[in-house]
Amino acid sequence: DAGVTQSPTHLIKTRGQQVTLRCSPKSGHDTVSWYQQALGQGPQFIFQYYEEEERQRGNFPDRFSGHQFPNYSSELNVNALLLGDSALYLCASSPGTGFYNSPLHFGNGTRLTVT
Amino acid sequence: QKEVEQNSGPLSVPEGAIASLNCTYSDRGSQSFFWYRQYSGKSPELIMSIYSNGDKEDGRFTAQLNKASQYVSLLIRDSQPSDSATYLCASSSGAGGGADGLTFGKGTHLIIQP
Repeated sequence: DAGVTQSPTHLIKTRGQQVTLRCSPKSGHDTVSWYQQALGQGPQFIFQYYEEEERQRGNFPDRFSGHQFPNYSSELNVNALLLGDSALYLCASSPGTGFYNSPLHFGNGTRLTVT
Repeated sequence: QKEVEQNSGPLSVPEGAIASLNCTYSDRGSQSFFWYRQYSGKSPELIMSIYSNGDKEDGRFTAQLNKASQYVSLLIRDSQPSDSATYLCASSSGAGGGADGLTFGKGTHLIIQP
């Protein structure tokens, strides 16, 4: 049973560029959340997708956008990259909103470096 | 602004002893609380979840919640070197971990000394 898979594992981009990160949720899960984890910090919630819609959003600018596909996979897009966007980007899946006691299953993350 | 506060450590505990990790949260509307373990360079892994006041035990782990004091703790009994990791405390105002975005603390770095 495949867990949450993310691609790519590492990425180096230049300031001002755009980047797309991809995530496939754990089998049976239909809700995908994205988190940003800077070095030495806890993960910060970016947004959550369910039924192909953004259901919740954290305190991130519009440069961060996403998409969920009919097969529940998801993309995170970041435009106009800043040096401060360098971080580990974590995708987490769960079996639906309002599902009591459902834990988040995290992928191994994408390490983004902006130079 | 929802906040979860943790002592960043490092917290050093001898092998076989009890490790005690603590966190406080600011949002009184928080209903769900989680402890995640994160090894260096790896993704967070759920250790415990707790939703009501009191203690919840799972093997060597015990989570404690006091909503009046807005305080959550994790006890690790018979600590092993493999328990050395960063422990992240997280809260949610939703009923389940998947229903709401989690607010994480910065994590406590735990070192178990052989």
